[in-house]
Formats: sequence, C-alpha cells, structure tokens
Amino acid sequence: DTGVSQDPRHKITKRGQNVTFRCDPISEHNRLYWYRQTLGQGPEFLTYFQNEAQLEKSRLLSDRFSAERPKGSFSTLEIQRTEQGDSAMYLCATGPDGRALNEQFFGPGTRLTVL
Amino acid sequence: GQQLNQSPQSMFIQEGEDVSMNCTSSSIFNTWLWYKQDPGEGPVLLIALYKAGELTSNGRLTAQFGITRKDSFLNISASIPSDVGIYFCAGSGRIYKLSFGAGTTVTVRA
Repeated sequence: DTGVSQDPRHKITKRGQNVTFRCDPISEHNRLYWYRQTLGQGPEFLTYFQNEAQLEKSRLLSDRFSAERPKGSFSTLEIQRTEQGDSAMYLCATGPDGRALNEQFFGPGTRLTVL
Repeated sequence: GQQLNQSPQSMFIQEGEDVSMNCTSSSIFNTWLWYKQDPGEGPVLLIALYKAGELTSNGRLTAQFGITRKDSFLNISASIPSDVGIYFCAGSGRIYKLSFGAGTTVTVRA
C-alpha cells in the first residue's frame, strides 16, 4: 500500500459527458503528478503540482482537461466533453522533497472507458 | 511518445531462473527508476538509482545506472511465480517528471 488513493477506480461514461477524478496523496508529499496510461504503453506525464501551484502541463493536456490542487493536498482532474480517445488509465503519483526528490509513488489509478 | 526503449518486450520465466531486462535512452537522465505493475493496479517502485555506475539491490532485484547515464538494467535472481507482471523503467529529468519505457511483460513459462 503506497498510501496514494484515487477515486473512483473505474468510470464508464458516454461520449460528451464530463468526468472528474480525485487523488489523495501521501500526506507529507508536496509534489503531485498526473499521468495517463493506454494499453501496452508506459504512463505518460500530464501535469505537475508543487503544493497548490500547477508548474507544468504536457501538450497531451488539451483544453478539455483541467487539474487543480486547491489547498496543496488532494487533487482533481476533470475531463470535459469526453471523447473515445480519452479512454485510458489515469494515474496519480506523489513524491517527497529532500533526498528522494526523484521518487514517485503511484496510486491504483482510475480506469476511464468512454462509450 | 516514449523516449525510452525497453527490451525485451516480453519474456517467459521458469521458477528459479535469473532474468534480465534493460532500458536505453537517447537522453541523459539524472535518476533511473524501475517499477512493477500488476493488472489493474498502479506501478510500484522497486529500485531508484541516483548516480552513474551505481549498482543497487532490493532483495532478489539488482539494478544498475549506466555510466553514460543513458541506460539501465534490472536483474531478477531465482525468479518465483509472483515475479510475473509488467516491469517499467523510468528516467527522471527536469522537475522530476518521469519518462517511461513501454514495459517488459514477464510471464511464467507453461
């Protein structure tokens, strides 16, 4: 158990609907990342938060995607007007400051299926 | 797209065998990490490597950070059935975001 939790674990939605996912990090971790993983591939970086500040967004994150971390604790990832190509596993990872800066610990993911 | 090339893409293990997989990159990374992912779950961190040339063990797992900083390998000794899964290498660069390989799928040989 890494301590990172994600909700929901599975989401099935119809094309055009909005969906929101939540990530609760390990409590002392200031860094939070979102990744997307499609079948047969490794995770791909979407966005990064240092505390409540969103410091980087990937080109993969179209304007239909928005992420927040309002108080520097939990984070949400929203996808508006979902498309079938959005079907994937959405992973949240968090990391500590200090010596282990490069280590990231992943949650169990949210599997999104867009019909 | 993926920047890292992992090989082999898949392998079959027999209990007790030693297995090896590697990862190469066109870019230099400051840190190499190895993760294992089971179906329907998130990746679990196995080993993190911080210095070129570093050799680190975690139980039956041994990983090395290549001296060019563009490659890494992972060895599993005396494999057991629960070693099956998908193993990912990841390189960490700017802002510590990870770039992953496409994974090596380890399956038990029938």
